[in-house]
Amino acid sequence: EIVVTQSPATLSVSPGGSATLSCRTTQFISRALAWYQHRTGQAPRLLIYAADTRAAGVPPRFSGSGSGTAFTLSISNLQPDDFGVYFCLQYEKYFPSTFGQGTKLEIK
Amino acid sequence: QVQLQESGPALVKTSETLSLSCSVSGGSVRSGYFYWSWFRQPPGRTLEFIGSVSVNGNTNYSPSLRSRVTISLDTTQTLFSLRLTSATTADTAVYYCARQRGDTFGSYPDYWGQGTLVTVFS
Repeated sequence: EIVVTQSPATLSVSPGGSATLSCRTTQFISRALAWYQHRTGQAPRLLIYAADTRAAGVPPRFSGSGSGTAFTLSISNLQPDDFGVYFCLQYEKYFPSTFGQGTKLEIK
Repeated sequence: QVQLQESGPALVKTSETLSLSCSVSGGSVRSGYFYWSWFRQPPGRTLEFIGSVSVNGNTNYSPSLRSRVTISLDTTQTLFSLRLTSATTADTAVYYCARQRGDTFGSYPDYWGQGTLVTVFS
C-alpha cells in the first residue's frame, strides 16, 4: 500500500495571506495526485487533479505542483471560504487509492 | 451540476447488513466515462476506498472488504447502492458516495456526496 503523509496537520493563516500544504507518498506515483477541500457538513470539493490541473471552476489562487513522491498545494490571497480541511489522494492506477490524513487550514 | 446524496439507516446492529444508497442528479449514471464509488472515514482515521461499479457492471473492491461488500448500479433510478454484510463496530464511519473519472494516471472522485454517519452497535 502507498502511504500518503500530509503536513502540516494544522496551519493558521490570516485572511489575505498564503498557505503551502505538502503531500508525500512512499512510492513513485508520477502525477497521480488530487487535492480536495472539505468544509464541515459539505461534500468534499475537487480542486486539483493530475498534480497540477485545476478542476473546473477552481480559481487560479489554487495551484498544485510536484511529481514522483512530493507534492504541494499553494493557496494565495486566502478568503474566508477557503478555511477548512484539505486532503490529498494518490490514485496511481497500479495500486489501491489511498488518502492523506488531511491538513486543517484555520483562520489566524 | 452533478449532485450525490447518501441515504440509509444511521444505526446498524452488529452481524447485520449495512445498506446505503446514493442518489445521483444532474448527470447520468449510464455514462461509460465514470465509475460510481463508495468511501468511508472511521472516527479519527483517514478516508478509505470501499469499492466502485461501472455502467457495464464491472466492480472493483478494496481487498480488505471484498468478502463482505457488494456495490450495484440501478440505471433506471439513477442510484447506486452499497451492501456490507456481517457488520462490526469497526465499520462505524462516515460513508461517502462519489463519481470517479479517469485520466492517464488512474481514476479519482470529481463529485462527492456530503456523507452519512453510520454507527454499528452491539
